[in-house]
Amino acid sequence: AQKITQTQPGMFVQEKEAVTLDCTYDTSDPSYGLFWYKQPSSGEMIFLIYQGSYDQQNATEGRYSLNFQKARKSANLVISASQLGDSAMYFCAMREDGGKLIFGQGTTLQVKP
Amino acid sequence: SAVISQKPSRDICQRGTSLTIQCQVDSQVTMMFWYRQQPGQSLTLIATANQGSEATYESGFVIDKFPISRPNLTFSTLTVSNMSPEDSSIYLCSAFEGGPGYSGANVLTFGAGSRLTVL
Repeated sequence: AQKITQTQPGMFVQEKEAVTLDCTYDTSDPSYGLFWYKQPSSGEMIFLIYQGSYDQQNATEGRYSLNFQKARKSANLVISASQLGDSAMYFCAMREDGGKLIFGQGTTLQVKP
Repeated sequence: SAVISQKPSRDICQRGTSLTIQCQVDSQVTMMFWYRQQPGQSLTLIATANQGSEATYESGFVIDKFPISRPNLTFSTLTVSNMSPEDSSIYLCSAFEGGPGYSGANVLTFGAGSRLTVL
Protein backbone atom coordinates (compact mmCIF):
# COMPACT_ATOMS: atom_id res chain seq x y z
CA ALA A 1 0.00 0.00 0.00
CA GLN A 2 1.17 3.52 -0.78
CA LYS A 3 2.65 5.02 2.35
CA ILE A 4 3.56 8.47 1.11
CA THR A 5 1.26 10.38 -1.22
CA GLN A 6 1.92 13.57 -3.08
CA THR A 7 -1.17 14.45 -5.08
CA GLN A 8 0.21 17.43 -6.99
CA PRO A 9 2.24 16.31 -10.00
CA GLY A 10 3.00 19.93 -10.90
CA MET A 11 2.67 23.33 -9.31
CA PHE A 12 3.26 26.90 -10.45
CA VAL A 13 4.01 29.85 -8.21
CA GLN A 14 4.82 33.46 -8.89
CA GLU A 15 8.23 34.65 -7.78
CA LYS A 16 8.21 36.09 -4.22
CA GLU A 17 4.94 34.38 -3.33
CA ALA A 18 4.47 31.43 -0.98
CA VAL A 19 3.56 27.93 -2.10
CA THR A 20 2.40 24.81 -0.28
CA LEU A 21 3.30 21.34 -1.47
CA ASP A 22 1.07 18.60 -0.11
CA CYS A 23 2.12 15.33 1.46
CA THR A 24 0.08 12.71 3.28
CA TYR A 25 1.40 9.55 4.83
CA ASP A 26 0.24 6.35 6.40
CA THR A 27 1.95 4.38 9.12
CA SER A 28 1.05 2.38 12.19
CA ASP A 29 4.42 3.04 13.77
CA PRO A 30 4.20 5.73 16.50
CA SER A 31 7.82 6.69 15.90
CA TYR A 32 8.61 8.04 12.46
CA GLY A 33 10.29 10.90 10.67
CA LEU A 34 9.14 12.98 7.75
CA PHE A 35 11.54 14.60 5.31
CA TRP A 36 11.44 16.86 2.31
CA TYR A 37 14.07 16.73 -0.40
CA LYS A 38 14.62 18.95 -3.42
CA GLN A 39 15.89 17.55 -6.70
CA PRO A 40 16.89 20.20 -9.25
CA SER A 41 17.44 19.34 -12.89
CA SER A 42 21.04 18.47 -12.06
CA GLY A 43 19.69 15.38 -10.28
CA GLU A 44 21.23 15.77 -6.84
CA MET A 45 19.05 15.12 -3.81
CA ILE A 46 19.12 18.06 -1.41
CA PHE A 47 17.74 17.68 2.10
CA LEU A 48 15.44 20.55 3.07
CA ILE A 49 13.62 19.92 6.30
CA TYR A 50 12.73 17.25 8.84
CA GLN A 51 9.82 16.66 11.24
CA GLY A 52 9.80 13.99 13.93
CA SER A 53 6.54 12.36 14.95
CA TYR A 54 7.02 13.42 18.55
CA ASP A 55 8.03 17.00 17.78
CA GLN A 56 5.64 19.45 19.37
CA GLN A 57 6.34 22.30 17.01
CA ASN A 58 6.36 22.55 13.25
CA ALA A 59 9.83 22.45 11.77
CA THR A 60 11.28 25.52 10.08
CA GLU A 61 14.49 25.97 8.08
CA GLY A 62 14.90 29.42 6.61
CA ARG A 63 12.25 29.86 3.92
CA TYR A 64 11.03 26.30 4.40
CA SER A 65 8.46 25.31 6.98
CA LEU A 66 6.59 22.10 7.51
CA ASN A 67 2.89 22.19 8.33
CA PHE A 68 2.61 19.00 10.37
CA GLN A 69 -0.91 17.82 11.15
CA LYS A 70 -0.46 14.50 12.89
CA ALA A 71 -4.13 13.61 13.23
CA ARG A 72 -4.61 14.14 9.51
CA LYS A 73 -1.31 12.42 8.71
CA SER A 74 -0.18 15.30 6.59
CA ALA A 75 3.19 17.03 6.35
CA ASN A 76 2.93 19.83 3.85
CA LEU A 77 5.96 21.86 2.83
CA VAL A 78 5.57 25.62 2.72
CA ILE A 79 8.09 27.64 0.76
CA SER A 80 7.89 31.35 1.45
CA ALA A 81 9.10 34.13 -0.87
CA SER A 82 9.68 31.77 -3.81
CA GLN A 83 12.79 32.26 -5.89
CA LEU A 84 13.54 31.19 -9.45
CA GLY A 85 16.08 28.74 -8.04
CA ASP A 86 13.31 26.93 -6.21
CA SER A 87 12.15 25.43 -9.50
CA ALA A 88 12.76 21.72 -9.02
CA MET A 89 11.18 18.41 -8.13
CA TYR A 90 10.23 18.08 -4.46
CA PHE A 91 9.92 14.77 -2.67
CA CYS A 92 8.28 14.00 0.62
CA ALA A 93 9.68 10.95 2.40
CA MET A 94 9.03 8.98 5.55
CA ARG A 95 11.31 6.88 7.67
CA GLU A 96 9.96 4.32 10.06
CA ASP A 97 11.91 2.70 12.83
CA GLY A 98 13.59 0.28 10.43
CA GLY A 99 15.63 3.16 9.07
CA LYS A 100 14.89 3.08 5.34
CA LEU A 101 13.32 6.09 3.63
CA ILE A 102 10.26 5.72 1.43
CA PHE A 103 9.50 8.49 -1.06
CA GLY A 104 6.33 10.00 -2.46
CA GLN A 105 5.74 10.47 -6.16
CA GLY A 106 7.14 13.98 -6.18
CA THR A 107 5.84 17.41 -7.15
CA THR A 108 7.41 19.53 -9.87
CA LEU A 109 7.47 23.17 -8.86
CA GLN A 110 7.95 25.93 -11.39
CA VAL A 111 8.54 29.47 -10.21
CA LYS A 112 7.45 32.13 -12.66
CA PRO A 113 9.27 35.47 -12.88
CA SER B 1 26.97 14.85 7.17
CA ALA B 2 28.74 12.18 5.16
CA VAL B 3 29.99 12.86 1.63
CA ILE B 4 29.20 10.10 -0.85
CA SER B 5 31.05 9.47 -4.10
CA GLN B 6 29.58 7.28 -6.78
CA LYS B 7 31.12 5.98 -9.95
CA PRO B 8 30.56 5.78 -12.78
CA SER B 9 28.49 8.96 -12.96
CA ARG B 10 27.02 7.75 -16.22
CA ASP B 11 27.45 4.94 -18.68
CA ILE B 12 25.98 3.57 -21.85
CA CYS B 13 25.68 -0.19 -21.79
CA GLN B 14 24.76 -2.92 -24.19
CA ARG B 15 21.82 -5.22 -23.61
CA GLY B 16 22.79 -8.38 -21.79
CA THR B 17 25.87 -6.98 -20.09
CA SER B 18 26.37 -6.20 -16.40
CA LEU B 19 27.67 -3.07 -14.73
CA THR B 20 28.91 -2.50 -11.21
CA ILE B 21 28.39 0.84 -9.50
CA GLN B 22 30.68 1.78 -6.65
CA CYS B 23 29.73 3.90 -3.66
CA GLN B 24 32.35 5.33 -1.30
CA VAL B 25 31.48 7.27 1.86
CA ASP B 26 34.02 9.53 3.50
CA SER B 27 33.14 8.32 7.00
CA GLN B 28 31.82 5.17 8.62
CA VAL B 29 28.06 4.92 8.35
CA THR B 30 25.69 2.48 9.91
CA MET B 31 23.21 2.10 7.07
CA MET B 32 23.57 2.24 3.30
CA PHE B 33 20.82 1.99 0.73
CA TRP B 34 20.49 1.73 -3.03
CA TYR B 35 17.67 3.48 -4.87
CA ARG B 36 16.55 3.49 -8.47
CA GLN B 37 15.00 6.49 -10.16
CA GLN B 38 13.48 5.79 -13.54
CA PRO B 39 13.05 8.75 -15.91
CA GLY B 40 10.55 11.24 -14.54
CA GLN B 41 9.74 9.03 -11.58
CA SER B 42 10.29 8.98 -7.85
CA LEU B 43 12.98 7.09 -5.98
CA THR B 44 12.34 3.41 -5.39
CA LEU B 45 14.31 1.56 -2.76
CA ILE B 46 16.13 -1.45 -4.18
CA ALA B 47 17.78 -2.77 -1.04
CA THR B 48 19.52 -2.08 2.22
CA ALA B 49 23.20 -2.92 2.00
CA ASN B 50 24.22 -4.78 5.15
CA GLN B 51 27.83 -4.83 6.21
CA GLY B 52 29.25 -8.30 6.12
CA SER B 53 26.00 -10.04 5.19
CA GLU B 54 23.49 -10.34 2.39
CA ALA B 55 21.55 -7.24 1.42
CA THR B 56 17.89 -6.90 2.31
CA TYR B 57 15.87 -6.54 -0.87
CA GLU B 58 12.56 -4.77 -1.35
CA SER B 59 9.64 -6.37 -3.06
CA GLY B 60 10.26 -6.63 -6.79
CA PHE B 61 14.04 -6.68 -6.55
CA VAL B 62 16.13 -9.85 -6.37
CA ILE B 63 19.72 -10.64 -5.64
CA ASP B 64 20.36 -12.33 -8.98
CA LYS B 65 19.48 -9.15 -10.83
CA PHE B 66 20.93 -6.63 -8.37
CA PRO B 67 23.74 -8.24 -6.38
CA ILE B 68 25.02 -5.90 -3.67
CA SER B 69 28.17 -6.02 -1.62
CA ARG B 70 29.14 -4.10 1.48
CA PRO B 71 32.52 -5.28 2.74
CA ASN B 72 32.95 -2.49 5.31
CA LEU B 73 31.26 0.57 6.83
CA THR B 74 32.33 2.98 4.07
CA PHE B 75 31.92 1.11 0.78
CA SER B 76 29.24 -0.66 -1.20
CA THR B 77 28.67 -1.85 -4.75
CA LEU B 78 25.53 -2.49 -6.76
CA THR B 79 25.66 -4.61 -9.88
CA VAL B 80 22.94 -4.41 -12.48
CA SER B 81 23.04 -7.79 -14.18
CA ASN B 82 21.96 -8.90 -17.64
CA MET B 83 20.75 -5.41 -18.46
CA SER B 84 17.81 -4.56 -20.66
CA PRO B 85 16.56 -1.15 -21.80
CA GLU B 86 14.09 -1.21 -18.91
CA ASP B 87 17.06 -0.92 -16.54
CA SER B 88 17.88 2.54 -17.91
CA SER B 89 17.67 4.64 -14.77
CA ILE B 90 19.58 6.68 -12.28
CA TYR B 91 20.92 4.54 -9.46
CA LEU B 92 21.56 6.35 -6.21
CA CYS B 93 23.58 5.30 -3.23
CA SER B 94 22.62 6.76 0.11
CA ALA B 95 23.85 6.58 3.65
CA PHE B 96 22.41 7.19 7.07
CA GLU B 97 24.80 7.86 9.89
CA GLY B 98 22.46 7.08 12.77
CA GLY B 99 21.52 3.72 14.18
CA PRO B 100 18.71 1.57 12.80
CA GLY B 101 16.36 2.94 15.42
CA TYR B 102 14.77 6.29 14.83
CA SER B 103 16.38 9.14 16.74
CA GLY B 104 16.62 12.80 16.06
CA ALA B 105 16.94 14.39 12.70
CA ASN B 106 19.45 12.06 11.14
CA VAL B 107 19.46 12.77 7.46
CA LEU B 108 19.80 10.37 4.57
CA THR B 109 22.59 11.69 2.36
CA PHE B 110 22.76 10.80 -1.32
CA GLY B 111 25.47 10.36 -3.86
CA ALA B 112 25.18 12.22 -7.13
CA GLY B 113 23.80 9.13 -8.84
CA SER B 114 24.85 6.89 -11.69
CA ARG B 115 22.87 7.42 -14.88
CA LEU B 116 22.73 4.20 -16.90
CA THR B 117 21.45 3.98 -20.45
CA VAL B 118 20.96 0.50 -21.85
CA LEU B 119 20.79 0.14 -25.61
